Amino acid sequence: DIVMTQSPDSLAVSLGERATINCKSSQSVLYNSDNRHYLGWYQQKPGQPPKLLIYWASNRESGVPDRFSGSGSGTDFTLTISSLQAEDVAVYYCQQYYKSPFTFGPGTKVDIK
Amino acid sequence: EVQLLESGGGLVQPGGSLRLSCAASGFTFSDYAMSWVRQAPGKGLDWVSVINNSGGSTYYADSVKGRFTISRDTSKNMLYLQMNGLRAEDTALYYCSRGRTSSSYSTVDYWGQGTLVTVSS
Repeated sequence: DIVMTQSPDSLAVSLGERATINCKSSQSVLYNSDNRHYLGWYQQKPGQPPKLLIYWASNRESGVPDRFSGSGSGTDFTLTISSLQAEDVAVYYCQQYYKSPFTFGPGTKVDIK
Repeated sequence: EVQLLESGGGLVQPGGSLRLSCAASGFTFSDYAMSWVRQAPGKGLDWVSVINNSGGSTYYADSVKGRFTISRDTSKNMLYLQMNGLRAEDTALYYCSRGRTSSSYSTVDYWGQGTLVTVSS
């Protein structure tokens, strides 16, 4: 199975500052046939289901604010919130969908400093 | 508007069975893969199973393989998860979710509110 790890476990960032979350897969999630990384990012606020933010590692889902961006390649990926807003307080998960089982990372909790 | 409404959760004894259902609306059900993802109380997301748009391809987490069966009924716009041999560690909120594409190899773009399954004697 592909193991997903995330760092840090939690972080506190001042309003308007940048938040960076890292995700690492135990093997590459690049599918050579279409040159896409099968990696997604989700945001989950308390008491709510998750919300898709990013797919194919760097494609922003429709309606997601452009302060959210995804980057990375191979086995190392990053979710960046360029200017943290109060409504961004949540837990963020990465997920690989390259190979079953389609595992999630353990999550990173983002709070306001 | 895409809507996913789960039902069928509840309290069940270890070794028992439950069948979860998910009623889908607001989109062409046969065009999308569907998944089940669960979340134990206070824990992270745990992928359970996926079925492609046609129902011809299914995948399972190792922890549920051989015990759970995912299926879909396109005529009724329904997704199901038959859960047998339930264990205490299956206790979780079970989310029905829609894939972004028809393929099983897809992220999830819509989620239901979940149905709670509690396995306890």
